[in-house]
Amino acid sequence: QQQVKQSPQSLIVQKGGISIINCAYENTAFDYFPWYQQFPGKGPALLIAIRPDVSEKKEGRFTISFNKSAKQFSLHIMDSQPGDSATYFCAASPQHFGNEKLTFGTGTRLTIIP
Amino acid sequence: DSGVTQTPKHLITATGQRVTLRCSPRSGDLSVYWYQQSLDQGLQFLIQYYNGEERAKGNILERFSAQQFPDLHSELNLSSLELGDSALYFCASSPSGRPGRETQYFGPGTRLLVL
Repeated sequence: QQQVKQSPQSLIVQKGGISIINCAYENTAFDYFPWYQQFPGKGPALLIAIRPDVSEKKEGRFTISFNKSAKQFSLHIMDSQPGDSATYFCAASPQHFGNEKLTFGTGTRLTIIP
Repeated sequence: DSGVTQTPKHLITATGQRVTLRCSPRSGDLSVYWYQQSLDQGLQFLIQYYNGEERAKGNILERFSAQQFPDLHSELNLSSLELGDSALYFCASSPSGRPGRETQYFGPGTRLLVL
């Protein structure tokens, strides 16, 4: 059962534009939502993460928006650059000890074109 | 560089065979996680160890097993291999084994091809 649904599967954005990737979850026990960035031939690396006590978190050009009632969260990349071309995974986990496992979305391949 | 090392980088084997993948966590991290990444399934959590003990299990097949040794390195054993086991296998580590509270650091992966 896919508990974290991610869209789109692939995305092409012009340099300088805004890239938006969306995720939706079903499990109401999820309360930690990280985004991972993966370059070809590398392992995923944490980009930014949010907990549900805030609706938005910004780190540089990267922003997570979180809508608890809709059970949705999204990654916005402002002023997208060719170096941002990578695969992005959203993920979710409960924080309750003994039940913590990261469930990943299926990934979005982002390509930034000049 | 995450500090997590995995060997081998690539592995080619035949159906029915058995292979062992090895992972060394970041210095100081007590927990190790194994993930399988395939094109159609994305990143799937397999199993987690903390300080030598199994802590959480995901979608790990019975043909697969893992362990974490006293020096904290971990091995993932895959047996009776099938074509569908071809995938990237990632190891990750974290300090205290709380994936809902801390960052996981991923290694570069082992690419397994079963022919």
